[in-house]
Amino acid sequence: GQQLNQSPQSMFIQEGEDVSMNCTSSSIFNTWLWYKQDPGEGPVLLIALYKAGELTSNGRLTAQFGITRKDSFLNISASIPSDVGIYFCAGPTPYNNNDMRFGAGTRLTVKP
Amino acid sequence: NAGVTQTPKFQVLKTGQSMTLQCAQDMNHNSMYWYRQDPGMGLRLIYYSASEGTTDKGEVPNGYNVSRLNKREFSLRLESAAPSQTSVYFCASSEADAGNEKLFFGSGTQLSVL
Repeated sequence: GQQLNQSPQSMFIQEGEDVSMNCTSSSIFNTWLWYKQDPGEGPVLLIALYKAGELTSNGRLTAQFGITRKDSFLNISASIPSDVGIYFCAGPTPYNNNDMRFGAGTRLTVKP
Repeated sequence: NAGVTQTPKFQVLKTGQSMTLQCAQDMNHNSMYWYRQDPGMGLRLIYYSASEGTTDKGEVPNGYNVSRLNKREFSLRLESAAPSQTSVYFCASSEADAGNEKLFFGSGTQLSVL
């Protein structure tokens, strides 16, 4: 099915370090989305990717849409304490734009 | 703009009780969604409404019903709550067009069923 496998499950890093997380699927996705969830809040969209091979940046965040359309990664450079939260990859199934699937999330902790 | 507003923020139910979670959006979006979030499992789609007057099942619809009351409001009902429905529930809305799949989420309802 259209399951998204996200890794790592959690990361503990020092402020200033770079972070990399990824998402894979056994099925093709035509759109990859990366969301961040702060404690007690709903997820907020960080980056949207629409083309295989696409590399997109949003400030210190960079995400890539894998060539095979079965994976994506998110990098955060020079992490700061407010980067703490849960990061989710997501994508709509190819046959239904309303059926958005989410990975299980990567929980990021940044130590000052 | 308030965006997506859902109520209540917290709820405790006994097994077998019923309740309705309310959701409203002020962005004139056609599509609205209910997700549940469980530890280690990400968000899973319960039901969605692609437009006023239509509703469809998502990944995990069993034990739930929904009503798209009008374009703004989409409610989720638990007729007979079970402990397995203890979760955090999120309402969301979007345009859901290709190239515009961005979901806007409410701040969640933490539900405990004892």
